[in-house]
Amino acid sequence: KQEVTQIPAALSVPEGENLVLNCSFTDSAIYNLQWFRQDPGKGLTSLLLIQSSQREQTSGRLNASLDKSSGRSTLYIAASQPGDSATYLCAVMEYGNKLVFGAGTILRVKS
Amino acid sequence: SQTIHQWPATLVQPVGSPLSLECTVEGTSNPNLYWYRQAAGRGLQLLFYSVGIGQISSEVPQNLSASRPQDWQFILSSKKLLLSDSGFYLCAWSLDGADTQYFGPGTRLTVL
Repeated sequence: KQEVTQIPAALSVPEGENLVLNCSFTDSAIYNLQWFRQDPGKGLTSLLLIQSSQREQTSGRLNASLDKSSGRSTLYIAASQPGDSATYLCAVMEYGNKLVFGAGTILRVKS
Repeated sequence: SQTIHQWPATLVQPVGSPLSLECTVEGTSNPNLYWYRQAAGRGLQLLFYSVGIGQISSEVPQNLSASRPQDWQFILSSKKLLLSDSGFYLCAWSLDGADTQYFGPGTRLTVL
């Protein structure tokens, strides 16, 4: 059974700092990996999708990498801002088109 | 552009009462539709998904059911709510099964 783990569970950083969120998964037979953002009491917003054949994806200040063989992904946020404060969720798409989510990393960026 | 709606936004129900949550998607045809639950301190759990009208797959055995009466409509129901049904219910859609999923604003359900 696929399990997705996110480390750290919570992170507090000063504004302007670069940071890395980690995601690991137990079964490397995945179709893709997705990163989402969730603001308190809200739905999820898709940030990045990395296909299993890709190594990384970039969008603005966000960069996500994927090492499928080792079951790891990282989300790099450059020059963090208070508006980046949210919960970040990692999810892997299994064959059969089912997303399996991690528990998330709660990020707080202090101004 | 595509939009996804969920209602109600919040709901407080007594144990044993029925439930009906609705999700609608506009601006696309034949989407894949999903129901997730996010319980306190736990990750998102896929409950049901649908690839077309009347086609529902259940992921977790429970007292919930789902229906898709229209291409753009996905309904989550229960005949008798349990305390453990409390949580944040999210609906999502995708164009293709392996594509990015787009989430609705969610329904906060509290069962007392």
